[in-house]
Amino acid sequence: QVQLVQSGAEVQRPGASVKVSCKASGYTFTNYLVHWVRQAPGQGLEWMGMIRPGNGVTTYAQRFQGRVSISRDTSTTTVYMELSSLRSDDTAVFYCTRDSGSFEDWGQGTLVIVSS
Amino acid sequence: QAGLTQPPSVSKDLRQTATLTCTGNNNNVGDQGAAWLQQHQGRPPKLLTTRNNNRPSGISERFSASRSGNIASLTITGLQPEDEADYFCSAWDSSLTAWVFGGGTKLTVL
Repeated sequence: QVQLVQSGAEVQRPGASVKVSCKASGYTFTNYLVHWVRQAPGQGLEWMGMIRPGNGVTTYAQRFQGRVSISRDTSTTTVYMELSSLRSDDTAVFYCTRDSGSFEDWGQGTLVIVSS
Repeated sequence: QAGLTQPPSVSKDLRQTATLTCTGNNNNVGDQGAAWLQQHQGRPPKLLTTRNNNRPSGISERFSASRSGNIASLTITGLQPEDEADYFCSAWDSSLTAWVFGGGTKLTVL
């Protein structure tokens, strides 16, 4: 079955960067888009961007342009999301999700706390 | 970025029917439809219906989706206590070249 397993929780200082991983299994990795979605505490879902693992092409949400980088490693079927210049309001749970038309499968989420 | 509009909360009695709405525009909901997601507290979202209003395997027939113009709807029949959750709609916006979400509707089953 499809599984997306994300890396563990992190605490980062303001101004630092965080890199979250999403290990995919149970399907052909290169055939499906993978997205990253952010959810601040008590808030809704916010799309950050996506990657086409087959060729590495990425698309980012405008509000994260220049701060987010999504990459993949096809040898380990892992997608990465790196967010830089962290601020306290970046504190959130970050999810990866596989797209076969809609957001069919989700990782368990990674909590990132930004605090001095 | 402009998102989709959902009512913040809906309350319905047990075993009744709830209809949740999601309002977009011609570039998102009106263009390619909306998917619906359910999220229980502390859990990842779960896809209930696709943009084509189909249910993934394992999703109860009590959940159904439809669209009329720029408004997408999710209907939940025979409400159960476990249906109490947050519900989000999502759509691809061809003008923004981005996915957009609604703010979510908190469904309370009385």
